[in-house]
Amino acid sequence: DAGVTQSPTHLIKTRGQHVTLRCSPISGHKSVSWYQQVLGQGPQFIFQYYEKEERGRGNFPDRFSARQFPNYSSELNVNALLLGDSALYLCASSWTGNTEAFFGQGTRLTVV
Amino acid sequence: DAKTTQPPSMDCAEGRAANLPCNHSTISGNEYVYWYRQIHSQGPQYIIHGLKNNETNEMASLIITEDRKSSTLILPHATLRDTAVYYCIVRVINYGQNFVFGPGTRLSVLP
Repeated sequence: DAGVTQSPTHLIKTRGQHVTLRCSPISGHKSVSWYQQVLGQGPQFIFQYYEKEERGRGNFPDRFSARQFPNYSSELNVNALLLGDSALYLCASSWTGNTEAFFGQGTRLTVV
Repeated sequence: DAKTTQPPSMDCAEGRAANLPCNHSTISGNEYVYWYRQIHSQGPQYIIHGLKNNETNEMASLIITEDRKSSTLILPHATLRDTAVYYCIVRVINYGQNFVFGPGTRLSVLP
C-alpha cells in the first residue's frame, strides 16, 4: 500500500515568491495535517484538516494557508516567502483527526 | 511547548535492548503517550502509543508507570537501523489536537 505521498521532494524559491506543496494521504484516511520542521528542531504543527474542514491551526502567520480536496488530498500554500520559511514541510494523514498519524517524507523548501 | 522531558542523547550496543525514558509528570487523565522516531531527513515514523496499560507491537514495547508520570520505550534488540531521534509526545485524542514535538532523544546504536 502506498504511504503518504508529498510533492515535490525538493524545491528552491526566491524571497517574496509563492509556493504550493501537495500531499496525498494513505488510501481511506480522511484527515491531513501539515508540519514545518526547521533544521535541528522537532516538527511544528501548522494545520489539520478533516473532511475538507479546518480542524486546527498552529501559530503561523496568515501567509500560510491550506485546503483539502474531495479526494482528501491537500495543498499547503505559502505566500511572500521569507528566508526563515526554509524548512522540511511534512504532511501526515490519519483515519480521522484523532488517531495515530502517518507522515510522508516531506518537501524540502529552500528560500534564497 | 512539549509536555515531555527526554534525555538529549543515548547510546546502545547493537543487539542489546534500548530503553528510552520519557517524563510526563503533568499528563492529564485523557492524554495518551505516543512515540515516533525520525531517521535523518525522513518523515517521522509512528512506533506505538498507549493510555495506561503497557503496549507491545512488532516494533517496540511501551511501559507506562502506574501513576502515568513517566514511560519507557523499549526496542528489544536494537540494530544500526534504529539509530534515529525518538520523540515522546502526550496528546489528547480529539479533533484538532496536534502532535507537539520536543527535541527528542537522539539514539545512536553502536556496532
